[in-house]
Amino acid sequence: EPEVTQTPSHQVTQMGQEVILRCVPISNHLYFYWYRQILGQKVEFLVSFYNNEISEKSEIFDDQFSVERPDGSNFTLKIRSTKLEDSAMYFCASRLGDQPQHFGDGTRLSIL
Amino acid sequence: GIQVEQSPPDLILQEGANSTLRCNFSDSVNNLQWFHQNPWGQLINLFYIPSGTKQNGRLSATTVATERYSLLYISSSQTTDSGVYFCAVEWSGNTPLVFGKGTRLSVIA
Repeated sequence: EPEVTQTPSHQVTQMGQEVILRCVPISNHLYFYWYRQILGQKVEFLVSFYNNEISEKSEIFDDQFSVERPDGSNFTLKIRSTKLEDSAMYFCASRLGDQPQHFGDGTRLSIL
Repeated sequence: GIQVEQSPPDLILQEGANSTLRCNFSDSVNNLQWFHQNPWGQLINLFYIPSGTKQNGRLSATTVATERYSLLYISSSQTTDSGVYFCAVEWSGNTPLVFGKGTRLSVIA
């Protein structure tokens, strides 16, 4: 069964540094999402992407965040200048249409 | 926005016992998914169930959309069932999922 893949599985970064999290959605999917889960808390929506543009974003997704689909396969989340509170598990998800969202295994981001 | 409430927040079971997890939501939804988050943090998709009943092995789920709730049944629980179970809903087509806070299940041998 096709799956969403995320790299790296764990990223450790110094505060203030830029970080890029990468995702390869399922190949024929059209809608892409990033979610975040702070340790011990629920999963929160960050941003959705469709037709090469952001379709919706939450208040968490401020100017420090950006997303890109640089080619036909990758979907990236960039955090420009990381803060301690950005430490979390980041999940990428994709879907074809009115079907379930499929989640990757996540990237655990640790900010020191 | 839509609110998702899960109960109970924590549940401890003896291996072999059955359990029912509940998810209430505050408005009509287009989609509802149940996930299991394992100890490694992976979100495993259990059910896509905007309405009706589905079964997959020892797990089954029922969503009563008109009454705005969904139930996840786990029968003959095993230690590998331990983890956090999340319910997530979307209020309209292709909108983001809104997650509940989860039910933390511990199954002890």
